[in-house]
Amino acid sequence: GAGVSQSPSNKVTEKGKDVELRCDPISGHTALYWYRQRLGQGLEFLIYFQGNSAPDKSGLPSDRFSAERTGESVSTLTIQRTQQEDSAVYLCASSLDGGDGTQYFGPGTRLLVL
Amino acid sequence: GNSVTQMEGPVTLSEEAFLTINCTYTATGYPSLFWYVQYPGEGLQLLLKATKADDKGSNKGFEATYRKETTSFHLEKGSVQVSDSAVYFCALGYSTLTFGKGTMLLVSP
Repeated sequence: GAGVSQSPSNKVTEKGKDVELRCDPISGHTALYWYRQRLGQGLEFLIYFQGNSAPDKSGLPSDRFSAERTGESVSTLTIQRTQQEDSAVYLCASSLDGGDGTQYFGPGTRLLVL
Repeated sequence: GNSVTQMEGPVTLSEEAFLTINCTYTATGYPSLFWYVQYPGEGLQLLLKATKADDKGSNKGFEATYRKETTSFHLEKGSVQVSDSAVYFCALGYSTLTFGKGTMLLVSP
């Protein structure tokens, strides 16, 4: 079956612009996660959606970052007024029902802020 | 807070050599422990996991044992292949995951 998909695969933007990154999780997965990986660093947790519960936003680095999820499907991560330090690979993952279940990762969106 | 420390790479081995990639952690409570792998040009995928102390996770010839006393989850394989060349990430968590920085493994024929 189809895995987690993300779009765009690459995005180059100018400092100060807003960007939207999209994630399509595996169908039927109730949990969805966003992480980011900056060069030479491990993955950093950003935000977690589980069913209809309020999202866990504890990893968002600033109020310029926000994310939405429509039901148990598509999620969009928005970065407003991008800065150069936002340059990273943004990874989305989904799992069947959260907890410590296996997370399936998408290929990522590589964001470069000039 | 939670954190994961992995040995820095790259780790360079010849085919059929024994592999150990060290991973230690600090955590609140007793989270599950994971090894994820990223092959060249591919996405991150789960390699193995262990959910409680003394559990051994295993897959594709790789093994790791959840050691509470040493707060470690070292990855081992008895005989590596060229196809094992990848970046390996140790992680811990209950739902959201905390990852190490990754260790690149390069296996030559």
